[in-house]
Amino acid sequence: DTEVTQTPKHLVMGMTNKKSLKCEQHMGHRAMYWYKQKAKKPPELMFVYSYEKLSINESVPSRFSPECPNSSLLNLHLHALQPEDSALYLCASSQLPRSTDTQYFGPGTRLTVL
Amino acid sequence: AQSVTQLDSHVSVSEGTPVLLRCNYSSSYSPSLFWYVQHPNKGLQLLLKYTSAATLVKGINGFEAEFKKSETSFHLTKPSAHMSDAAEYFCVVSPYNNNDMRFGAGTRLTVKP
Repeated sequence: DTEVTQTPKHLVMGMTNKKSLKCEQHMGHRAMYWYKQKAKKPPELMFVYSYEKLSINESVPSRFSPECPNSSLLNLHLHALQPEDSALYLCASSQLPRSTDTQYFGPGTRLTVL
Repeated sequence: AQSVTQLDSHVSVSEGTPVLLRCNYSSSYSPSLFWYVQHPNKGLQLLLKYTSAATLVKGINGFEAEFKKSETSFHLTKPSAHMSDAAEYFCVVSPYNNNDMRFGAGTRLTVKP
């Protein structure tokens, strides 16, 4: 099973709301990733977790706060977002954080910020 | 720095004709290279990957790609396009020392009946 699940599928929030995106995998992978994808653009890496520790933060604003409670679960906490943060947020996982390892992607959460 | 350039933003083919999606890479070291496909409003699916083994890589759904170091290219091909191949295709490079993947801008493939 190579499935990465993400909830919710769609999310609409106001600029003062607090919400969270959830990502889950049960493949025993030890690396997990958050990407942001704007319309008609490639995904852009936001965060990398390696063995439940944050290893890469691509200068993402603090209104995005990642959390990895255990090896199967990855959250992205959202607070005080801006309309330009509206995008598809993709989660991925790989066996290890190695260049040769395939990243398996979830279907994404489509976020709209009003 | 590692990067990839997808040479065509849009490719249109007729059903049953060959597909060629072009990708050039820039890397100081031997990179890992991937092709992913994304259907509308979906996540990304791996088509194939190169990790310094065989230079001709076969993937799913009849796709293949050839790593050519002398040309710094990793073009994706398929002998015969199917309507279901219509999607966005991304060429991706991963540095040798971590999994910080860098995506190309993407190529939108249209398949005409």
